[in-house]
Amino acid sequence: RKEVEQDPGPFNVPEGATVAFNCTYSNSASQSFFWYRQDCRKEPKLLMSVYSSGNEDGRFTAQLNRASQYISLLIRDSKLSDSATYLCVVNDRGSGNTGKLIFGQGTTLQVKP
Amino acid sequence: GAGVSQSPSNKVTEKGKDVELRCDPISGHTALYWYRQSLGQGLEFLIYFQGNSAPDKSGLPSDRFSAERTGGSVSTLTIQRTQQEDSAVYLCASSLMASGLNEQFFGPGTRLTVL
Repeated sequence: RKEVEQDPGPFNVPEGATVAFNCTYSNSASQSFFWYRQDCRKEPKLLMSVYSSGNEDGRFTAQLNRASQYISLLIRDSKLSDSATYLCVVNDRGSGNTGKLIFGQGTTLQVKP
Repeated sequence: GAGVSQSPSNKVTEKGKDVELRCDPISGHTALYWYRQSLGQGLEFLIYFQGNSAPDKSGLPSDRFSAERTGGSVSTLTIQRTQQEDSAVYLCASSLMASGLNEQFFGPGTRLTVL
């Protein structure tokens, strides 16, 4: 079983749609969670951190369910510019809080006009 | 300000040759990470540095892979006797400190192709 699992998609949605991505992680000791965005042939960039209480940044909402080891990302009012691969990322606690990141395979989003 | 830079951006080499990949982190960042991304795969952790020390080398796939960091800044990842399965994008990231709370900033990567 992969440490971080995501549905690879692709998700094809029209502009203005709401889309949700889910992710599960296997290490219950994980403490830090993130969503990164990666455009085609570019490096990943941090989209947002994910907190236990849930957090929102504009059209983006991230949720964490520790009991189910489940992370979600909701994008409202999708824009063409949201088209990218979204990476679910968990900090590996196996060797201490070192910042070693475990990445999911990513979920591809394509927003159509 | 300057971000993380990597060189070369592309490297094509023949099987069996050695290659060196370079990473220049953001100035002042003490932590440096190497990842690789193979076609259709997620990012895979290789090694990280805090200062010049590498406390975690657990992700290096074989003893053909090594990395060093000098002066708490530049890092080089060396792959000896390259194999076709080494073909991937090698990404470097840096952060203020080696902590799960600090954002990692990625460089543009080196695309390695082993023929």
